[in-house]
Amino acid sequence: AQKITQTQPGMFVQEKEAVTLDCTYDTSDQSYGLFWYKQPSSGEMIFLIYQGSYDEQNATEGRYSLNFQKARKSANLVISASQLGDSAMYFCAMREVVGNQFYFGTGTSLTVIP
Amino acid sequence: DAGVTQSPTHLIKTRGQQVTLRCSPKSGHDTVSWYQQALGQGPQFIFQYYEEEERQRGNFPDRFSGHQFPNYSSELNVNALLLGDSALYLCASSLESWSEQYFGPGTRLTVT
Repeated sequence: AQKITQTQPGMFVQEKEAVTLDCTYDTSDQSYGLFWYKQPSSGEMIFLIYQGSYDEQNATEGRYSLNFQKARKSANLVISASQLGDSAMYFCAMREVVGNQFYFGTGTSLTVIP
Repeated sequence: DAGVTQSPTHLIKTRGQQVTLRCSPKSGHDTVSWYQQALGQGPQFIFQYYEEEERQRGNFPDRFSGHQFPNYSSELNVNALLLGDSALYLCASSLESWSEQYFGPGTRLTVT
């Protein structure tokens, strides 16, 4: 089974609108961390936001927020007020504490339309 | 404050050859992880080094090996290159915890 599933290969959003990128995960661990990264065409992975499995509040970092629904095992990324520079690949990732493994999803390509 | 650096940027090798990729972690970081990212895919975890030892390994054959030096920099070695090894190789550094990994720009390896 896939550890991280991103079901949206490509998404389009109008500039200044909000967009939600979906991510579901699979783990039997109680302690884990969830991450979102942005990868522009240059290739470098840029850390966006982190959510620990025991964090009760949804994580927020500027225009990024993580909609964490533990029972559903989902960790969707919400980008508010999209900008042209947000066009990139977005990867959801998970770290399992017990096995100390780090898993990435297949990514979602986001295109912001002027 | 220097971020994670990787060298070389691009590399072209022939099947059967060996390659060494290099990574310098972000200042203050002591843990280095390596990932392979094939075209159109998410990164796949290769292994992680901490205190000069391989601490964790993903599902990669023994042809993939590494090393961490006392200054925390790291090398990834791949022997007997296959066409399927063509990918972007990413290095990430962190403090011992995984709470935040910083990635380098990657080395794009092409095997012909």
